[in-house]
Amino acid sequence: DIQMTQSPSTLSASVGDRVTITCRASQSISRWLAWYQQKSGKAPTLLIFEASTLESGVPSRFSGSGSGTEFTLTISSLQPDDFATYYCQQYHTSSPTFGLGTKVDIK
Amino acid sequence: QVQLEQLGAGLLKPSETLSLTCAVYGASFSRYYWTWLRQSPGRGLEWIGEINHSGRTNYNPSLKSRVTMSAATSENQFSLRLNSVTATDTAVYFCARGLFLLGPGRVFDVWGRGTLVTVSS
Repeated sequence: DIQMTQSPSTLSASVGDRVTITCRASQSISRWLAWYQQKSGKAPTLLIFEASTLESGVPSRFSGSGSGTEFTLTISSLQPDDFATYYCQQYHTSSPTFGLGTKVDIK
Repeated sequence: QVQLEQLGAGLLKPSETLSLTCAVYGASFSRYYWTWLRQSPGRGLEWIGEINHSGRTNYNPSLKSRVTMSAATSENQFSLRLNSVTATDTAVYFCARGLFLLGPGRVFDVWGRGTLVTVSS
């Protein structure tokens, strides 16, 4: 299995802050990486796929970058609706795996 | 608007069989892979497996010996069976739609609400 490691595990930030979350893969996954947002008690929602392609309807303050083994998710100006947990997922193999998540909470 | 509605029991005893069904509304059943995932505090998000309209399946190797997925195309439903459950199978189980993209695997753009399955004697 490809292991996905996210950092930090928790991030405290304020509305308006620029936030960056990192995801590292245990081997190269090219650009086959997706990001999800999950709010408490809800299912995850797809934000980004192919490392940097925004899913339809996702605000432009979200962006993704990276390739190979290192990826980032950036929120350019944190909004109240963005306090949630974020997960990365590799789909380089037919057995996808997820990171353990980064919780973004209020500072 | 695509919706996935999950059906099935949430409380099991060890060694019993978990059985869940997901009904698909508003999407062409034949155009996607239909997926089961689960989430627990100890294991995080875990892909269980997928099935397409013709019944072709792919399973997580770590669960393959205990998992069976099936599809009822005429009813736009797909199902999961996981046998010989133990406490470590306690989790929230999600069904989801898997997209065909350029990569080898799948991303998941529509999810069910989740079903909490608890395994306890």
